[in-house]
Amino acid sequence: DQQVKQNSPSLSVQEGRISILNCDYTNSMFDYFLWYKKYPAEGPTFLISISSIKDKNEDGRFTVFLNKSAKHLSLHIVPSQPGDSAVYFCAAMGGGADGLTFGKGTHLIIQP
Amino acid sequence: NAGVMQNPRHLVRRRGQEARLRCSPMKGHSHVYWYRQLPEEGLKFMVYLQKENIIDESGMPKERFSAEFPKEGPSILRIQQVVRGDSAAYFCASSLRLGEQYFGPGTRLTVT
Repeated sequence: DQQVKQNSPSLSVQEGRISILNCDYTNSMFDYFLWYKKYPAEGPTFLISISSIKDKNEDGRFTVFLNKSAKHLSLHIVPSQPGDSAVYFCAAMGGGADGLTFGKGTHLIIQP
Repeated sequence: NAGVMQNPRHLVRRRGQEARLRCSPMKGHSHVYWYRQLPEEGLKFMVYLQKENIIDESGMPKERFSAEFPKEGPSILRIQQVVRGDSAAYFCASSLRLGEQYFGPGTRLTVT
């Protein structure tokens, strides 16, 4: 019973282009969403978040879009840089639990 | 600017032994969370604590696992009588309030 789904295990993007990572959720009680970036053998690093009362949040090269009716969010990275190569996790908060509910992650590979 | 500290980074235990994982939250953070990541999986919430209180342990296995966050000192995740299936990366996160959580580097537990 996966409440947060990242359906693309991996994504390859050319350096300088836009990377779009997608995330779907099933629990309509989720009210806060976060994206984390993770390098091997390190802990997840917080990137950007969005409240369910908003549909867009931007921070530098990172923008998160939320479509509540579709229960879908996406992370846009533009322009993509080699250091962006990592695993990206979508996470949600709310829905009756105090912890974050994570997707399985998408491995982003930035090609030079 | 110390972040979340976890130790040890790597821990090897034989089946039946006890494992103790420690987490020191970021300065000023009073909320601590523990997560477990199995290979090829996302992080799974285990327990949420504040000083001297377990707030939500809905993700914690009912047996052999316990957690504490004493008034003084780090938070401890304790696994008694470890089994091979306990082998995983265990991450601790802290937050100032409900919202963005900041993760430590993790403890990789290997049960032989």
